[in-house]
Amino acid sequence: DAGVIQSPRHEVTEMGQEVTLRCKPISGHNSLFWYRQTMMRGLELLIYFNNNVPIDDSGMPEDRFSAKMPNASFSTLKIQPSEPRDSAVYFCASSSKQGAEQYFGPGTRLTVT
Amino acid sequence: GNSVTQMEGPVTLSEEAFLTINCTYTATGYPSLFWYVQYPGEGLQLLLKATKADDKGSNKGFEATYRKETTSFHLEKGSVQVSDSAVYFCALSRASGTYKYIFGTGTRLKVLA
Repeated sequence: DAGVIQSPRHEVTEMGQEVTLRCKPISGHNSLFWYRQTMMRGLELLIYFNNNVPIDDSGMPEDRFSAKMPNASFSTLKIQPSEPRDSAVYFCASSSKQGAEQYFGPGTRLTVT
Repeated sequence: GNSVTQMEGPVTLSEEAFLTINCTYTATGYPSLFWYVQYPGEGLQLLLKATKADDKGSNKGFEATYRKETTSFHLEKGSVQVSDSAVYFCALSRASGTYKYIFGTGTRLKVLA
């Protein structure tokens, strides 16, 4: 099993640019989560999907953030426009069902200058 | 509401010392409980889990027992190694009613040779 795949692993961009982070969950998993991790705020849940449907997006910071899951094997998290305070490590995770353990990807380290 | 409280870190131990990282929770219903570990530069990995009261999760020498009477899930290891240096997260999931998955703030462990 390849595990959760995220791309890119590192992204450096300038303030105001659009950033798209990508995630491929483990095959057969029907719940997908996006998290953000920083030293100041720790691990924050941004949004989660169940069967490709967004269930809880209350953690999305503001309208600059959007997430989609067009099919069971792909999700994107988009930031437009990006700001320096968005700099963080973004993790994608998936689980086989609601309530089960989550499997995390390696993360995307985003730096906005 | 639902919450997870972990002991503040960092925890610094000598190799072969006994480890305890405290975790308590508040939740309605009967949550599942988890410990995750995060090594530097990586995503979180499931370490162990317990799904009902009095269950003991164990893996790689680590253990934790689901104590409903004290709402606790403390992580223990009898003899730590330098390679155990990482950040440890306690988490709960509650799948009944509105789904919730909550992580603690993490406890950093440093083991000295």
